[in-house]
Amino acid sequence: QQQVKQSPQSLIVQKGGISIINCAYENTAFDYFPWYQQFPGKGPALLIAIRPDVSEKKEGRFTISFNKSAKQFSLHIMDSQPGDSATYFCAGYGNKLVFGAGTILRVKS
Amino acid sequence: ETGVTQSPTHLIKTRGQQVTLRCSSQSGHNTVSWYQQALGQGPQFIFQYYREEENGRGNFPPRFSGLQFPNYSSELNVNALELDDSALYLCASSLGGQAAYEQYFGPGTRLTVT
Repeated sequence: QQQVKQSPQSLIVQKGGISIINCAYENTAFDYFPWYQQFPGKGPALLIAIRPDVSEKKEGRFTISFNKSAKQFSLHIMDSQPGDSATYFCAGYGNKLVFGAGTILRVKS
Repeated sequence: ETGVTQSPTHLIKTRGQQVTLRCSSQSGHNTVSWYQQALGQGPQFIFQYYREEENGRGNFPPRFSGLQFPNYSSELNVNALELDDSALYLCASSLGGQAAYEQYFGPGTRLTVT
């Protein structure tokens, strides 16, 4: 059962643009919502995380927006750079990490 | 501070064989989780070990088993390999308790079953 749905599957953004990735969850027992970034040949790396009692969290160019009533959250990457090109995973954490299917981001220079 | 390391990097096995994958956790971390990542998919939780005890298991059959050692390193064992077991196997370490969601992943072991 897929408990975290992620969209889009892939995304192409121009350098300097805003990348937006969306996720929806079903399990209300999740108490953290992290985002991971994965480069080819590497393991996922924790990027930013949010608790469900917070509506927004910003770290540098990365922002998570969280809508608890809609059970949705999103990652915004401002001023996207070619080095941001990677696969991004949203996840929910209760007593284990449940990942979305991933979004392949390509930033064109 | 040493990060999470995994060995081997790549492995090719034949259907029906057994395999052991190894993971060294990040210094100070007492919790290790294992994930299976099929090509083009998100990681799927296999199980977690906390202080040498299994502390949660995903939807994987019993032929997937593990161990955690006193130094918090860990092994994943898979018996009776099937073609569908071909995947990237990821190990992640974390502190227990409130910080358990903050998991640090190793580079993975790419397993190919022929």
